[in-house]
Amino acid sequence: DQQVKQNSPSLSVQEGRISILNCDYTNSMFDYFLWYKKYPAEGPTFLISISSIKDKNEDGRFTVFLNKSAKHLSLHIVPSQPGDSAVYFCAASAGGANNLFFGTGTRLTVIP
Amino acid sequence: GAVVSQHPSRVICKSGTSVKIECRSLDFQATTMFWYRQFPKKSLMLMATSNEGSKATYEQGVEKDKFLINHASLTLSTLTVTSAHPEDSSFYICSVAQGGGNQPQHFGDGTRLSIL
Repeated sequence: DQQVKQNSPSLSVQEGRISILNCDYTNSMFDYFLWYKKYPAEGPTFLISISSIKDKNEDGRFTVFLNKSAKHLSLHIVPSQPGDSAVYFCAASAGGANNLFFGTGTRLTVIP
Repeated sequence: GAVVSQHPSRVICKSGTSVKIECRSLDFQATTMFWYRQFPKKSLMLMATSNEGSKATYEQGVEKDKFLINHASLTLSTLTVTSAHPEDSSFYICSVAQGGGNQPQHFGDGTRLSIL
């Protein structure tokens, strides 16, 4: 039972444009959401997170939006850079628990 | 720099071999570490939570006698896949979280295990 879903396995964006990566979840108990970036042969690197008490969190070029009613979150990267090309995973947890539930990832390619 | 060091990065061995994977927290003492597994085209799935000085907590469906976890110090947890078989071939990755509550987990680079 996949509680966190990333329905787009891949996304290509032109350099300088906005990249929007989407993530849906089914468990209404999730209250903490994270995005990780992964390069080949490396482990996931933490990018940005958001608590369910917020609907937006921004860190430089990265902004995460949370829509609790739709059980949907998205990661916006603007402007996109070639170095952003990687696989992006969203993850969620409930009640401060340690068990992170991951999506299957979206491969972002930023075209120079 | 890296927060978590995982070793080895790749293992290829014969069926029946036991394989030990090490996970070290480099930047802080970690009373809790986590072990995940990822099958091809699937998401990372938590296998167990490693607790320093006490027994690991295993997720449902994970055999504790198959996947032995030892967290002997505040900076080192090991996962031993005992008598590995081809179906144990997978990507194993560990993580640590600094503090409790809503804190991001930091991951090692993972271990690709291939059992022939």
